[in-house]
Amino acid sequence: KNEVEQSPQNLTAQEGEFITINCSYSVGISALHWLQQHPGGGIVSLFMLSSGKKKHGRLIATINIQEKHSSLHITASHPRDSAVYICVWRGGTSYGKLTFGQGTILTVHP
Amino acid sequence: DSGVTQTPKHLITATGQRVTLRCSPRSGDLSVYWYQQSLDQGLQFLIQYYNGEERAKGNILERFSAQQFPDLHSELNLSSLELGDSALYFCASSVEFNSPLHFGNGTRLTVT
Repeated sequence: KNEVEQSPQNLTAQEGEFITINCSYSVGISALHWLQQHPGGGIVSLFMLSSGKKKHGRLIATINIQEKHSSLHITASHPRDSAVYICVWRGGTSYGKLTFGQGTILTVHP
Repeated sequence: DSGVTQTPKHLITATGQRVTLRCSPRSGDLSVYWYQQSLDQGLQFLIQYYNGEERAKGNILERFSAQQFPDLHSELNLSSLELGDSALYFCASSVEFNSPLHFGNGTRLTVT
């Protein structure tokens, strides 16, 4: 069993829709990151969370430490949001080690 | 621009060969991380260095090694290359181990 479970694996939306991507992890963490990878391959770090909620533009990330669950929300989605979104947790016995989710492929149609 | 520089961008080599990938972290970042992204396995953490010292190890093969130099740049050495080593290799940096990550654009390695 992967220590990080992301859902859904694939997500298709129409422009303007509200998007939610979920990430569940099985062990205690020190931080959770959300990454965005565009079709060209480049990776951008969107958020780093250890508690609560963060917002940046149309993106919102939340984390519930007790439930070991994080969500990434995109409001008013746009075709340029089409990318792979990956959650990554840092924790366990080695605080430098990072464990990646499988990624969610998001496609937003105009 | 993340400020992390990876060279080369592309590398094509033959099985059995050895290559070196280089990463210059963002100015001021002490931590460097290496990841491998292959088509069938997603992103896999390989190794982390902090200020010249190895801090965490992931699924790094014995044929692979890395180091971080006094100027904080890092090199990932891949030897006895196999076809299955073909992948994108990313480097990321952060100020400390629990800080936001900044990714390079990756080196695409093709082993033929």
